Amino acid sequence: QKEVEQNSGPLSVPEGAIASLNCTYSDRVSQSFFWYRQYSGKSPELIMSIYSNGDKEDGRFTAQLNKASQYVSLLIRDSQPSDSATYLCAVPNTGNQFYFGTGTSLTVIP
Amino acid sequence: GAGVSQSPSNKVTEKGKDVELRCDPISGHTALYWYRQRLGQGLEFLIYFQGNSAPDKSGLPSDRFSAERTGESVSTLTIQRTQQEDSAVYLCASSRGRVPETQYFGPGTRLLVL
Repeated sequence: QKEVEQNSGPLSVPEGAIASLNCTYSDRVSQSFFWYRQYSGKSPELIMSIYSNGDKEDGRFTAQLNKASQYVSLLIRDSQPSDSATYLCAVPNTGNQFYFGTGTSLTVIP
Repeated sequence: GAGVSQSPSNKVTEKGKDVELRCDPISGHTALYWYRQRLGQGLEFLIYFQGNSAPDKSGLPSDRFSAERTGESVSTLTIQRTQQEDSAVYLCASSRGRVPETQYFGPGTRLLVL
């Protein structure tokens, strides 16, 4: 089992809809979780980090964490064409080595 | 302030040649990571430096790969006797401290081995 797993997609949603991106991880002791956005041909950039169970909201983005289920998700409300990108879930281990998922490709259709 | 910089931005080399990739982290960032990203794939961890501690080299794919970092500054990733499967984007990232924190990525070096 991979340390971090994501559905590769592609995920397509119409403009204005909610996009839901999911990630599961294998290390039960993981304490911090990161979502990165990567546009084609560009480097990853941080969208959100989350450390506690529950929801964390930042603008149109909401990260949800359930440590018991080893599950973290990212919701994008009112999706825009500019949100079209690959979204990477990252989970560090106790040694600070970051495991990245393979990413979910999102396309927002105008 | 200045972000993470990497050079060269693109490198084309012949199979069997050695290449050296450079990363300048954000000033004051003690942690530095190297990743490899093949076309259409996720990020593959290569190596992690934290201050003056021994680096975590567990992700290096073979002994042809090595990396150095001088203190908390510049890092170089060296690939000896390059192979075609080494073709990828090599990304460097830095972060502030020992606890897992946001990584800031450089623009990457696109390596093509012919």
